[in-house]
Amino acid sequence: DTAVSQTPKYLVTQMGNDKSIKCEQNLGHDTMYWYKQDSKKFLKIMFSYNNKELIINETVPNRFSPKSPDKAHLNLHINSLELGDSAVYFCASSHRSGSTGETQYFGPGTRLLVL
Amino acid sequence: DAKTTQPNSMESNEEEPVHLPCNHSTISGTDYIHWYRQLPSQGPEYVIHGLTSNVNNRMASLAIAEDRKSSTLILHRATLRDAAVYYCILRTSYGKLTFGQGTILTVHP
Repeated sequence: DTAVSQTPKYLVTQMGNDKSIKCEQNLGHDTMYWYKQDSKKFLKIMFSYNNKELIINETVPNRFSPKSPDKAHLNLHINSLELGDSAVYFCASSHRSGSTGETQYFGPGTRLLVL
Repeated sequence: DAKTTQPNSMESNEEEPVHLPCNHSTISGTDYIHWYRQLPSQGPEYVIHGLTSNVNNRMASLAIAEDRKSSTLILHRATLRDAAVYYCILRTSYGKLTFGQGTILTVHP
C-alpha cells in the first residue's frame, strides 16, 4: 500500500494556467507538508498543516495556496503559473509536528514543467 | 536555522563500510540530528535520527560527537542500492526540515 501518494506524477502546462496537485496519506498522520525541489536539487519547505491548520508558511508567492480538506489530504493549488514554478513538488507527512524526533514520509513527487 | 556542512560527494566500493560526515557547529540543545537520503527520481527517505547517543537501526548507524557539533552516518556494507544523495538535517520545532546540498554517494561494483 502506498503511504504517501501524489497526483499527478507529471504535469506539463502553459504559463498563466492554474493547476492543482493532490496529496493523500494513509498513515494516520496529523501533519502534512509541501516541499519544492528546484533544478539545482535544493529541497525547500513551503507549507505545513497540522490537523488541518496551517503551521508553517515559508516565503511563498500568494499564487500558491494549500488546502487541507481533512487530515489525510493536503492539496496544492497554483494560480497563474510562471516558468520559475517548474520543479519537483514533494508532499510529506508525519505525526505531531511539535516533536523534533518525528520522521517524515515523502511522496514520490510531482514533476511540474511550465512552458 | 542551524546549518549543516557535508562533503559534496563521496565514493565507496560495494560491500565496504561508508562513513558520511556532517558538521553542525551551531546546533542547539533541542535539535535532533536527522539523516535522509534521496535515491534518483524518488522522494527523500528517512534513514536515522538521534539527539545525543549513538543510534543503530536496520539501515545504518549514527555516531554523534560528545559535543554534538558533528555526526557520522555509517553504512556498514554499502550496496549499489545505497547510491543516493544523503542529507544531514537539524530538525527544529514544528517539524521543519531544512535540507542542505547533501552528499552524493557513489557506490562502485
